[in-house]
Amino acid sequence: GEDVEQSLFLSVREGDSSVINCTYTDSSSTYLYWYKQEPGAGLQLLTYIFSNMDMKQDQRLTVLLNKKDKHLSLRIADTQTGDSAIYFCAENRLGDYKLSFGAGTTVTVRA
Amino acid sequence: KAGVTQTPRYLIKTRGQQVTLSCSPISGHRSVSWYQQTPGQGLQFLFEYFSETQRNKGNFPGRFSGRQFSNSRSEMNVSTLELGDSALYLCASSLAESVNYGYTFGSGTRLTVV
Repeated sequence: GEDVEQSLFLSVREGDSSVINCTYTDSSSTYLYWYKQEPGAGLQLLTYIFSNMDMKQDQRLTVLLNKKDKHLSLRIADTQTGDSAIYFCAENRLGDYKLSFGAGTTVTVRA
Repeated sequence: KAGVTQTPRYLIKTRGQQVTLSCSPISGHRSVSWYQQTPGQGLQFLFEYFSETQRNKGNFPGRFSGRQFSNSRSEMNVSTLELGDSALYLCASSLAESVNYGYTFGSGTRLTVV
């Protein structure tokens, strides 16, 4: 398909793990990114993974990449109320000089 | 280290007018790109500049234009504004010349067209 796809909503209990999934489009994509957007703010880069990697861990964040299925996931351990936000998956296709974004997953953390 | 600075933060314009938005990248970053964010269309790529050269352009009408100056600061212009141009316009800067492994975004300019 042409678009980066994400599920639109995720509700998680505080302290649990969140898993946000994304399907990207291009096997030649070099870098894949996760951005966070809080209300009224710009995009905050959370983490990125190079396409020749399978996994990347950064504190509470774990990114898994399945190149065969073009599937990317972001796991947030011990989810906190401050993690409530919209999370965007994005890909950078080789030679494109741009990011192609998914529609964003709204994560709501409930007490 | 200062982040990406976009000015102004908010703008209200009337249909038919034109508007210029400004972006100052992180010091040392030579790539600047622009995105439009709307509830209906999500995040859409407008254009990207590196060393004053436009390297890529998104699928927007010619009313949308941009440029980059020798100090890497960038401006985008929208002429003959339409109601549908109301959006959050985001600027991002990056260090790398080719593969961009770190795009840093500004807080955006919220444009409202009435």
